[in-house]
Formats: sequence, C-alpha cells, structure tokens
Amino acid sequence: DAGVTQSPTHLIKTRGQHVTLRCSPISGHKSVSWYQQVLGQGPQFIFQYYEKEERGRGNFPDRFSARQFPNYSSELNVNALLLGDSALYLCASSPGVGVSNQPQHFGDGTRLSIL
Amino acid sequence: AQSVTQPDIHITVSEGASLELRCNYSYGATPYLFWYVQSPGQGLQLLLKYFSGDTLVQGIKGFEAEFKRSQSSFNLRKPSVHWSDAAEYFCAVGVGNTDKLIFGTGTRLQVFP
Repeated sequence: DAGVTQSPTHLIKTRGQHVTLRCSPISGHKSVSWYQQVLGQGPQFIFQYYEKEERGRGNFPDRFSARQFPNYSSELNVNALLLGDSALYLCASSPGVGVSNQPQHFGDGTRLSIL
Repeated sequence: AQSVTQPDIHITVSEGASLELRCNYSYGATPYLFWYVQSPGQGLQLLLKYFSGDTLVQGIKGFEAEFKRSQSSFNLRKPSVHWSDAAEYFCAVGVGNTDKLIFGTGTRLQVFP
C-alpha cells in the first residue's frame, strides 16, 4: 500500500508569493494533519482535518489555511510568504481522530525555500 | 502548557555501544508519548508509543522506552547501536482528542564505526 504522499518535493518561492502544498493520505485514513519543521527544530502542529472539517489549529497566522477534499486528500495554502516560512512541511494521516487512533503516518515532506 | 524537552542536542556513540536518549515532558493528564526517527531528507517514522499499561515499551529496530511518571520522563534505549541508527530522534506527546503532537527539539545521533 502507498504511504502518505506529498507534492511537490521541493519548492522555491519569493517573499510575498503564495504557495499550495498537497497531501494524499494512506488509503482508508480520514484524518490529515500538517506540521512545519524549521531547520534544527522539531515539527510544529499547524492544522488537523477530519472528514473535511478543521479539528485543530496550531499557533500560526491567518496566512496559513488548509482544506480537505471528499477523497480525504488535503491542501495547505500559505499567503504572503515570509523568509521565516522556509521549512519542511510534513503531512501525516491517521484512521480517525484522537491520539488513541495513532500512529500517525508521515510523508517525506515538501521542502519550501523562500528567497 | 504541554511541552517536551530533549536535553541532548547531539550524541555520538560507537557502533555496538548502548544508547539512551532522554526525554522529559510536561502534561497535565496521563500522557500519550511517542518516539519518532527522521533520516535526512525524509519524514518521521514511529519507533514506539506509550498509551497506558506496562511502562516498558518495545518498539521497532530493537528500541525500547520506559515511562517514569515520577520523573516525567520517557527515555529511549537500545542495547547495541548499529551504524544505520544514525538519524534525528524526536520525542513527542499527544494532546487530548486531536491528532496534535507536541515535539521536542530532537537529538541527533551520530554513530562511529
């Protein structure tokens, strides 16, 4: 079975631009979470979506938004990019909601570089 | 507020030596605890998890971890390290009825032959 897939693998943008990152969960998984991992740090939770509804949000500005589609895939959108948005963006999927439904399976991430 | 502390930024061991990576957490209720490993350029792979029950948890790749409530710790151990274990290791605590994980800053493990 395919794992969590993310696209693109790498992306280079300039300040002020907009970016869309995509994630396909493991087949049968209905929950998708997004994390930001700045170089040298642990991942930080951005969003969780379950059954197309937002179930959790981390401490990120409104420039960050996400959505989940009927096939449970998800997009993360970031507007007005800043240099500080340079990071590895990880997507994780799990069967349902709640840590008892772990483990979350992570994709290999999208490396976003802002010039 | 929930938090995870990994005191060791970088650890170097010889192949075949034992390993212990430290993790301390702060969480008001019974914690759900995890250890993940990340190889360069890749995502996170779950090594093991603790939800309840036996405080000594066995994971993949020969790793184990022990939950000590009195010390708020969840240290990762391996009796004999292999060169392929070189990677970044993250401890995390799971939050309530969400999928939210709070990660520590990680420990980079370097293995010498």
